[in-house]
Amino acid sequence: DSGVTQTPKHLITATGQRVTLRCSPRSGDLSVYWYQQSLDQGLQFLIQYYNGEERAKGNILERFSAQQFPDLHSELNLSSLELGDSALYFCASSVSLNHEQFFGPGTRLTVL
Amino acid sequence: GENVEQHPSTLSVQEGDSAVIKCTYSDSASNYFPWYKQELGKRPQLIIDIRSNVGEKKDQRIAVTLNKTAKHFSLHITETQPEDSAVYFCAARQSGGSYIPTFGRGTSLIVHP
Repeated sequence: DSGVTQTPKHLITATGQRVTLRCSPRSGDLSVYWYQQSLDQGLQFLIQYYNGEERAKGNILERFSAQQFPDLHSELNLSSLELGDSALYFCASSVSLNHEQFFGPGTRLTVL
Repeated sequence: GENVEQHPSTLSVQEGDSAVIKCTYSDSASNYFPWYKQELGKRPQLIIDIRSNVGEKKDQRIAVTLNKTAKHFSLHITETQPEDSAVYFCAARQSGGSYIPTFGRGTSLIVHP
């Protein structure tokens, strides 16, 4: 157990819908990262927050957004869902920017 | 930006054999190289990492080597066991800027008993 928690574990929804994925970092970690993992794309970095502020953006679609709250938990919002958004979404956290990342258990999103 | 190539994509070995997974990176500013193991349906877990000021690091049956000149690094697993079967990801990251690692595409290691 890495100490990073994610909810829900599984999510099944329909195209066009909106979902919110939640992540709680390890105690003391200030940085949160979101990744998308699909079968043919490996681990794709989406977005990073550090102490409540957006720090870096990767291949994140405009339909996706995220935020990190004062208590350091983070939420990833996915809207206008498409079939191709079906994937595992991982959150990771680190103490600071220059430390190793620890991954949460992931949320498996299925869009039907 | 950084580009990380990982080979092979699939590696099948017999129990007790050694396994080697190789990665190359493009950005000479990268100086931190972690390796993650991901079992089926589970989270990626950091198994070993190396920084650019060393050429080799070992932890029991796993070792990582780094050649900064050639910009490649490798994971070596000796005396493989069935529980080593998983997908292994390499990554490269700078100590500066956004500190975001770039991951390889992964290697599926299958250890046959």
